[in-house]
Amino acid sequence: AQSVTQPDIHITVSEGASLELRCNYSYGATPYLFWYVQSPGQGLQLLLKYFSGDTLVQGIKGFEAEFKRSQSSFNLRKPSVHWSDAAEYFCAESIQGAQKLVFGQGTRLTINP
Amino acid sequence: EPEVTQTPSHQVTQMGQEVILRCVPISNHLYFYWYRQILGQKVEFLVSFYNNEISEKSEIFDDQFSVERPDGSNFTLKIRSTKLEDSAMYFCASSGTEQFFGPGTRLTVL
Repeated sequence: AQSVTQPDIHITVSEGASLELRCNYSYGATPYLFWYVQSPGQGLQLLLKYFSGDTLVQGIKGFEAEFKRSQSSFNLRKPSVHWSDAAEYFCAESIQGAQKLVFGQGTRLTINP
Repeated sequence: EPEVTQTPSHQVTQMGQEVILRCVPISNHLYFYWYRQILGQKVEFLVSFYNNEISEKSEIFDDQFSVERPDGSNFTLKIRSTKLEDSAMYFCASSGTEQFFGPGTRLTVL
């Protein structure tokens, strides 16, 4: 069965510091991978996606993610976080682009001033 | 920019009552979904809908749940007899190649 693991439940970083949120997926073939962000009381906003091709994908708000098949990982990065990045981040995968999404548990990001 | 909309934003109901959650997907999308998120937990898939029929459903989506696309624009989720454990945020999504989510409906069952 598909599963997505986000090992870090809660991460705290200082404003201006770099960020990496970890995500591991289980689907053996090439999955479709996504990162979504959820601000408190809000819906899910797509940050970026990977379908195929270049393994380093750029997203909105200065985020990027790298697909590493050898590690079954799709980690999210940002070189310098802003206080407005404080939110819950969800990694998700699907088998095909229009199929159901399987989400990880989420990582809550707190930004220290 | 097109977006998925959901109504109501918050619904409070008594246990055993029927509720209908409404969604207006993005107009040129063909795939529609419902997900739920119990407070503090991850987002879980409920059902997907394509070509006017359910294409996939999860174990959560039992006989108490149903979906419908009553006209060309709305997509609804009905819970026939709500239980306390149905309290959650319910998200609608629609997709072409990627899924766009609505803002959610918070359902509180008392």
